[in-house]
Amino acid sequence: DAKTTQPNSMESNEEEPVHLPCNHSTISGTDYIHWYRQLPSQGPEYVIHGLTSNVNNRMASLAIAEDRKSSTLILHRATLRDAAVYYCILRAHNNNDMRFGAGTRLTVKP
Amino acid sequence: EAGVAQSPRYKIIEKRQSVAFWCNPISGHATLYWYQQILGQGPKLLIQFQNNGVVDDSQLPKDRFSAERLKGVDSTLKIQPAKLEDSAVYLCASSFNLIPLDTQYFGPGTRLTVL
Repeated sequence: DAKTTQPNSMESNEEEPVHLPCNHSTISGTDYIHWYRQLPSQGPEYVIHGLTSNVNNRMASLAIAEDRKSSTLILHRATLRDAAVYYCILRAHNNNDMRFGAGTRLTVKP
Repeated sequence: EAGVAQSPRYKIIEKRQSVAFWCNPISGHATLYWYQQILGQGPKLLIQFQNNGVVDDSQLPKDRFSAERLKGVDSTLKIQPAKLEDSAVYLCASSFNLIPLDTQYFGPGTRLTVL
């Protein structure tokens, strides 16, 4: 299975943009890049996903490198409620498996 | 829209005892998942149902764990007997269909402590 590598932790100031990196150098051509996040004492929740092009939704933006070996989740203005563990996950188009790594713990400082 | 419901939220038992967790998925979701999340790690898939049939249970420790989804709606996950290393949060998730890119919706989890 293709694996992802994320920093263990990151810090951000409130109302500033946050860029959460993910490396996936062994990604295959049909793997989608998904991001989920897990708020304290809650189950994970979907954030965004993409294949090749950059994606935007109401929660975040996803920037995917041209060679697809890395991606960055962008929170445009971090709030205290964005403090969570963020997981970058590769999902094959023909496999429903979703394998979580340890993720990046984001701390947002007021 | 109501989310995925799980109960109990917390459970403390002694090793070698039995325990059961319950999950009610989002209405209309055909696919149901049970995950185990050990402290400091990401969730690990234990078992996956499509309606009331098992799709993948390759990571379920079948000597002590069992799960069922009668009538293709609610599901229970049982551990018998429990070991210390079973202390974890057990998460239930559901998705509308069994397609690879379908969003999974997670419940709040049940935190199990085995003493």
